Amino acid sequence: DTGVSQDPRHKITKRGQNVTFRCDPISEHNRLYWYRQTLGQGPEFLTYFQNEAQLEKSRLLSDRFSAERPKGSFSTLEIQRTEQGDSAMYLCASSLAGGRGYTFGSGTRLTVV
Amino acid sequence: QQQVKQSPQSLIVQKGGISIINCAYENTAFDYFPWYQQFPGKGPALLIAIRPDVSEKKEGRFTISFNKSAKQFSLHIMDSQPGDSATYFCAASPGSNDYKLSFGAGTTVTVRA
Repeated sequence: DTGVSQDPRHKITKRGQNVTFRCDPISEHNRLYWYRQTLGQGPEFLTYFQNEAQLEKSRLLSDRFSAERPKGSFSTLEIQRTEQGDSAMYLCASSLAGGRGYTFGSGTRLTVV
Repeated sequence: QQQVKQSPQSLIVQKGGISIINCAYENTAFDYFPWYQQFPGKGPALLIAIRPDVSEKKEGRFTISFNKSAKQFSLHIMDSQPGDSATYFCAASPGSNDYKLSFGAGTTVTVRA
């Protein structure tokens, strides 16, 4: 296990389309986080899971966003009816419960045209 | 509202020099203060972290200084090398099983050979 994997690395989509991103965390990590990073800014928290339970969602996460972690392993983040303002890097991170240090993946860069 | 304020936005340092990045926070519930390093196209990588019960932590050429009363902390990169050229983010998280991170806006460090 070499770290947190995210797929795809890049996604270009037309406004109004739906997109789905996948994150595979480090296998023994039971916490999984999604963050969004726009150009020139630090990452912003979106949501996190402990095992399969989604424990918190940011107010940044509109109704068009949904995240799942069905078996407590990989996670998906779906954005419906994409808007140009959704263009950003979507970062996934994982940690052990009680572990303060995250391991981030390399992110999925979304461009909405 | 950004909970962690970071400065400067960018800095240029000569090889062998010292890079200093400063962060300030307001939320007294924060009890974990990591620094992340990010290269273009990559996710942030944990560099060093400190808790408020110590005033300084050093790992190799990287040192965090922490001033609890002033609610400020800083990263010093000693003997800066061209390979240190990256964007650095400070962050903070509260305790009590709430480990989501609030990030600063980032500092782009350029080390000139």
